[in-house]
Amino acid sequence: EVQLVESGGGLVQPGRSLKLSCAASGFTFSNYYMAWVRQAPKKGLEWVATISTSGSRTYYPDSVKGRFTISRDNAKSSLYLQMNSLKSEDTATYYCARDTYYWYFDFWGPGTMVTVSS
Amino acid sequence: DIQMTQSPASLSASLGETVTIECRASEDIYSNLAWYQQKPGNSPQLLIYDANSLADGVPSRFSGSGSGTQYSLKINSLQSEDVASYFCQQYNNYPNTFGAGTKLELK
Repeated sequence: EVQLVESGGGLVQPGRSLKLSCAASGFTFSNYYMAWVRQAPKKGLEWVATISTSGSRTYYPDSVKGRFTISRDNAKSSLYLQMNSLKSEDTATYYCARDTYYWYFDFWGPGTMVTVSS
Repeated sequence: DIQMTQSPASLSASLGETVTIECRASEDIYSNLAWYQQKPGNSPQLLIYDANSLADGVPSRFSGSGSGTQYSLKINSLQSEDVASYFCQQYNNYPNTFGAGTKLELK
C-alpha cells in the first residue's frame, strides 16, 4: 500500500524558514517523480514543486521560485521542501504527492499545516 | 498560465441522482485533464486522468469526458460517500493548474 506521511509543519514568523519532510513507503520511491501541492484554508489547490527521480531536475511555479527548494533522499525514501523567506500567503496545508511523470498526482499524503504569522 | 474555470461552485443533489460538473480551460489542453475528489478533512484522491480514464479503484459511476477547452465529470446514481469537493487540473501546459473546486452536498 502506498503511504506518504508529511511532517514539519507549524507556526512560523514571516521571513523565517521551515523545512517539510515526507516519508514514503509501499512503492519504489526512486522510480517516481515527486511533488508538493498546497491548499490555503478553504481554498483550491496550487502546485508548489516537482522533482525528478534522481533529483537532478526541479520545477517550481513563479510564486515560490527562488524561495522554496525541493529535494529527495532515495536511500531514505524521503522528500523534502525547504521554504525560505516565508510570507503570510504561504499559509496552507502542504501535501506530498506522487507524480505520475505526466504532471498529475496519483497518491497524496494527509498533509501538514504551515501557518505564517507574527 | 492556463486558467481553469469550474462550474458550479457548489451543488446540492439527491441520492440516486446524476450529477455533472464542468471545467473550462482558457485554451486547448488536448485532454490533459485530471479530476480529484477531496472528502471533508481528507487529502485529494485521483478520480480521472487523461480526461476520461478511470483511476484504479474508482467506482464506475464516475466518468469523465470532453475535449479542447470543455470537460465534464459525471457521477451516476449519487451515493452518500460522494459528498466532497471536486477539482479539475490541467497538465498540458507548464505550470499545471487547478480549478477552484465544486462542493457537492446532499439535498
